Amino acid sequence: QKEVEQNSGPLSVPEGAIASLNCTYSDRGSQSFFWYRQYSGKSPELIMFIYSNGDKEDGRFTAQLNKASQYVSLLIRDSQPSDSATYLCAVNIGAAGNKLTFGGGTRVLVKP
Amino acid sequence: GAGVSQSPRYKVAKRGQDVALRCDPISGHVSLFWYQQALGQGPEFLTYFQNEAQLDKSGLPSDRFFAERPEGSVSTLKIQRTQQEDSAVYLCASSVNGETQYFGPGTRLLVL
Repeated sequence: QKEVEQNSGPLSVPEGAIASLNCTYSDRGSQSFFWYRQYSGKSPELIMFIYSNGDKEDGRFTAQLNKASQYVSLLIRDSQPSDSATYLCAVNIGAAGNKLTFGGGTRVLVKP
Repeated sequence: GAGVSQSPRYKVAKRGQDVALRCDPISGHVSLFWYQQALGQGPEFLTYFQNEAQLDKSGLPSDRFFAERPEGSVSTLKIQRTQQEDSAVYLCASSVNGETQYFGPGTRLLVL
């Protein structure tokens, strides 16, 4: 079992709809959680981070964390074609230092 | 201020050649990370520095890989006797607090 798992997609979303991305992790000691966006041929760009259970909103993005279920999600409201990218979930396990463990990414395609 | 910079952006090496990849972190960021990203996958941790101290090198795939950060700023990742399986994008990230990491543009290495 991989430490951080994501559905590879592609997740096809109509423009203006909500895109819902999921991520599960295996280490209960995980302390902080990050979502990065990566356009093709570019490097990861930080979108959101979340440390506590519950929801965290930033503009059109909402991150949700449920440590009991070992589950973190990202919602993108009012999806735009410019949101088409791969979204990477990353987890800082904490006990192993500050390194991030990444999932394989979910490719999102927003169709006009 | 300026973000993380990396050079070269692209490197083609013949199998067996040594290569050196450079990372210049964001000014004031004490933590520096190297990751390797294969095509279609999430980044994989290689090594981590806090100032000039290499605190974690557990992700380096073999003793052909060596990283240094002698003055606690610029870092160099060196790969000796490159092999085809070393072909990947090498990402550098820096962080002011060891938590939130910001990535550079990456160096795309192709070993022929």
